[in-house]
Amino acid sequence: DVKVTQSSRYLVKRTGEKVFLECVQDMDHENMFWYRQDPGLGLRLIYFSYDVKMKEKGDIPEGYSVSREKKERFSLILESASTNQTSMYLCASSTRDRVYFGPGTRLTVT
Amino acid sequence: DQQVKQNSPSLSVQEGRISILNCDYTNSMFDYFLWYKKYPAEGPTFLISISSIKDKNEDGRFTVFLNKSAKHLSLHIVPSQPGDSAVYFCAASPLNQAGTALIFGKGTTLSVSS
Repeated sequence: DVKVTQSSRYLVKRTGEKVFLECVQDMDHENMFWYRQDPGLGLRLIYFSYDVKMKEKGDIPEGYSVSREKKERFSLILESASTNQTSMYLCASSTRDRVYFGPGTRLTVT
Repeated sequence: DQQVKQNSPSLSVQEGRISILNCDYTNSMFDYFLWYKKYPAEGPTFLISISSIKDKNEDGRFTVFLNKSAKHLSLHIVPSQPGDSAVYFCAASPLNQAGTALIFGKGTTLSVSS
């Protein structure tokens, strides 16, 4: 079974803090993704990576950066958290024909 | 512009009846379609897929129908159960790019009442 794990299920951070969201997959997938899900807006792609040290911007990369130093790990960084980044963050990895999601991190920025 | 549209944000159905969730797409390059189901506070899980060489794919209570000429697909759940209450996302891509180019709709929230 494919397993995608995220370091935290719930996080509360203050405005201006630097936030790290960690994701690990155990299936040797090359592709990894970060999405955010907001009511009425669906799943929006923030960044994706198709190889170690490679990254591509998705639809909404502003205010975020990513790091992929190892194949199994893909980190999302909020350089200076803002209240409009309160959301559910979903990490995913993929095979050629399917995307597998982690359980999500509910981030609240106060 | 949205390439994958789920025009109904919500759907309410009684237990035992059929649930029909609809999805439209605009990109004629899409030839592979998936449905994901998401419970609150959990990540989406794969439900069922269909490629454009078929017009129907069935898995237990779940059937997906594809109408390529209308660029429309639908997910049928029969019979609906309260545990089916979740957000359902439609997704589409070219078949050889589903791992990198999957485009999601905004989701439809299904509520099944007992």
